[in-house]
Amino acid sequence: QITLKESGPTLVKPTQTLTLTCTFSGFSLSTSGVGVGWIRQPPGKALEWLALIYWNDDKRYSPSLKSRLTITKDTSKNQVVLTMTNMDPVDTATYYCAPILGGTYFDYWGQGTLVTVSS
Amino acid sequence: QSALTQPRSVSGSPGQSVTISCTGTSSDVGGYNYVSWYQQHPGKAPKLMIYDVSKRPSGVPDRFSGSKSGNTASLTISGLQAEDEADYYCCSYAGSYIVVFGGGTKLTVL
Repeated sequence: QITLKESGPTLVKPTQTLTLTCTFSGFSLSTSGVGVGWIRQPPGKALEWLALIYWNDDKRYSPSLKSRLTITKDTSKNQVVLTMTNMDPVDTATYYCAPILGGTYFDYWGQGTLVTVSS
Repeated sequence: QSALTQPRSVSGSPGQSVTISCTGTSSDVGGYNYVSWYQQHPGKAPKLMIYDVSKRPSGVPDRFSGSKSGNTASLTISGLQAEDEADYYCCSYAGSYIVVFGGGTKLTVL
């Protein structure tokens, strides 16, 4: 059974750095072809892909947010961490993590975590 | 990398069929057979419904089907049911291990 859970602060101030952790089970990030991605969704708006990290530590970022994002993995802990710098109120969103299990699609999704950016 | 274009809303009556389009470019939808579709009910996480343009994950009813022509992918839902009312998002591989989502379509079952 594959599960994922996002964790991190629910409230951050403008200009602060956001750190989110995705803790997963049921698959391994050391398996060839496997990746974990982050996707966000502002309230009432569309999904937006942010970043992906693969089993071989290859990392990919949304071109529009690349300068603000860093994604890392801890294979031994089954965790993927996303950091986003210089947070702004427009970054208020539910942040999801989801795995890619050898294809190019997100097989499962975490429950998401709502992050509000406000002073 | 721009978001894929979807109609903001579609609707249909129970039992009818509806089709949701997803238009991209030759750099994403048109360039690869790697389009996926996700269903999202209010307050819930998205759920994978279609992958690789037309494949259904285990457990997804065969009322859901996907296709692609040129730079446009489509999701068709036949035999509409009340529980199909949700938001639907397409997603395409865009090369270099990057993906892009569509703007989402709200499906209303009348």
